Amino acid sequence: DSGVTQTPKHLITATGQRVTLRCSPRSGDLSVYWYQQSLDQGLQFLIQYYNGEERAKGNILERFSAQQFPDLHSELNLSSLELGDSALYFCASSVVGTGRHSEQFFGPGTRLTVL
Amino acid sequence: GQQVMQIPQYQHVQEGEDFTTYCNSSTTLSNIQWYKQRPGGHPVFLIQLVKSGEVKKQKRLTFQFGEAKKNSSLHITATQTTDVGTYFCAGQASGGSYIPTFGRGTSLIVHP
Repeated sequence: DSGVTQTPKHLITATGQRVTLRCSPRSGDLSVYWYQQSLDQGLQFLIQYYNGEERAKGNILERFSAQQFPDLHSELNLSSLELGDSALYFCASSVVGTGRHSEQFFGPGTRLTVL
Repeated sequence: GQQVMQIPQYQHVQEGEDFTTYCNSSTTLSNIQWYKQRPGGHPVFLIQLVKSGEVKKQKRLTFQFGEAKKNSSLHITATQTTDVGTYFCAGQASGGSYIPTFGRGTSLIVHP
């Protein structure tokens, strides 16, 4: 158990819909990352938040957005869903996010299926 | 942008054989991390290497960081069925980028 929690575990929805994935980082970790993992793309970095502020953006679509709240939990919002958005979405947290203390602790993931 | 290539993509071994996965970055790294993901699981942090030429061992696992800090390897001696999974390297570029770039991973299959 990494200490990172993600809900829901599974999500099945239809094309065009909107979903919200939730992540609670390890106690004390200020940095939260979101990743998308699909069979043919590996682990794709989406976005990072540090202490409530966006720190870095990766390959995140405009239909996707995220935020980190004052209690440090984070939500990833996916809208206008397409079949290709079906994937495992991981949240990870780290103490700082750079340098020697940047190892990431991953949550169990949310498996999103878009039908 | 930074690219991290990892080879091989898959590796089948007989139990007891050795295994190595290699990671190469297009840019100089400040550090490199290794993660293991068991089938159906999530990536789990194994180790971080920071210094040029650094070698670290964890039981049967040996991790190396190249002298130029652009490549790394993970070597497993005498594989066991518990080693099955996908091994990812993640390189953090020098010069202020906060985001580790993950390689595509090497899936290790161990045949008993």
